[in-house]
Parts: sequence; C-alpha cells; structure tokens
Amino acid sequence: NAGVTQTPKFQVLKTGQSMTLQCAQDMNHEYMSWYRQDPGMGLRLIHYSVGAGITDQGEVPNGYNVSRSTTEDFPLRLLSAAPSQTSVYFCASSWTGGNSAEAFFGQGTRLTVV
Amino acid sequence: KNQVEQSPQSLIILEGKNCTLQCNYTVSPFSNLRWYKQDTGRGPVSLTIMTFSENTKSNGRYTATLDADTKKSSLHITASQLSDSASYICVVKNSGNTPLVFGKGTRLSVIA
Repeated sequence: NAGVTQTPKFQVLKTGQSMTLQCAQDMNHEYMSWYRQDPGMGLRLIHYSVGAGITDQGEVPNGYNVSRSTTEDFPLRLLSAAPSQTSVYFCASSWTGGNSAEAFFGQGTRLTVV
Repeated sequence: KNQVEQSPQSLIILEGKNCTLQCNYTVSPFSNLRWYKQDTGRGPVSLTIMTFSENTKSNGRYTATLDADTKKSSLHITASQLSDSASYICVVKNSGNTPLVFGKGTRLSVIA
C-alpha cells in the first residue's frame, strides 16, 4: 500500500519557469490538500479538494493552481515560479466522512526557485 | 479566528528524561485534536487523536491530555529516546467539512 506519493522529491527552478508537483493516493480518500512548510511558519494550506471536480482555496493560494479530475490525483501547478515559492510542499489525503479522519501525508517535495 | 498556538517553539532534553509540549487552541466548534510527529525530511505522522469527551490517551511513551473547557492540550513524552527528536505538531479540526488548523510545531531535540 503506497499511501500518498509525491513526485519529484527535489526540484530547482529558474524564476518564471512553470512546473507541476504530482500527488497520488491509493486509499480512495475524497479529501486531498496541498501545504507549504517554511521555517518558523508551520504548515500552511494552499488548496484543497473534497472530491473529484471540486477544489477550493486555502490560506496561501496565490501563484498556484490545482485541478482534481480523478479521486486519486491532485496535481499542484506553479505557472510562473518566484523565489518566494521556495519551500517544502506536502500533499495530504483523508476521508471526509467523519470529523476524526486522519490526514496521511506524502514525503514532501523540496522546491528551490533561483 | 481559528488558531493553534504551541509552546515551547523548541526544546532540548537529555536522553531518558521526560518532557511536556503544550498546545492552546481557539478553534470552534471543536471536533478533535491530533498530535503529529514529523521527522526531518519526512511528512507528519499521526500519534494520537483526542475528541471532546476524552481527557487522556496514551500511545506507548506518548501521553496526550485534553481540557476542552480551557482549550488546552499537552503531549507528554516519557523516558525520551534519540529517535524522539522531531517536530511535534498540534492539529485541530472543527465540526463540518472544513480544513484542519495547524500549530507551528515544537522542535524537540533529544541528546545523549
């Protein structure tokens, strides 16, 4: 059981480049989300989805796009990377049925924008 | 505003010693509170969940407490080990289909 899989693990981008961070889960979870983690800031929610075809903005959505065409996948797109987007990105998934659902996290993607 | 505050920000203890991490929250209406452990370079992993009616719950050497009236929780680690070195994150869920509220975490270092 793979759980939540993120790719790539590391990425270096030049300012202005675009890229997609991939996230896939094999637990049939309805709820998926993207976070960024910066030193001293904790995990901040970027975008989330409560099911296929449904997405919503979190705390820090600017500069990021998402889509949810399937239950399994929830890619995060950076259209024009900026140095301020240098961070570690985590994808998470959980059941939506029941408030006690545990969030399962991927291993993270360390992104550096130069 | 829904917030989760953790203290201390960081902590260094000797191997074998005990420690207690604190979490205060303003999330309402409250559903549950989880403590996650995040090892360096990895994603967070759930240690324990506390619901409104629970006061204490143990998971091995980890014991979590919850006072829903004062909106405070603690995580007590007994007989610490080097492998306990990690960030510990308090996460609160309110009722309904709304996002989790994360604390900034406590960075624990256990040294020999």
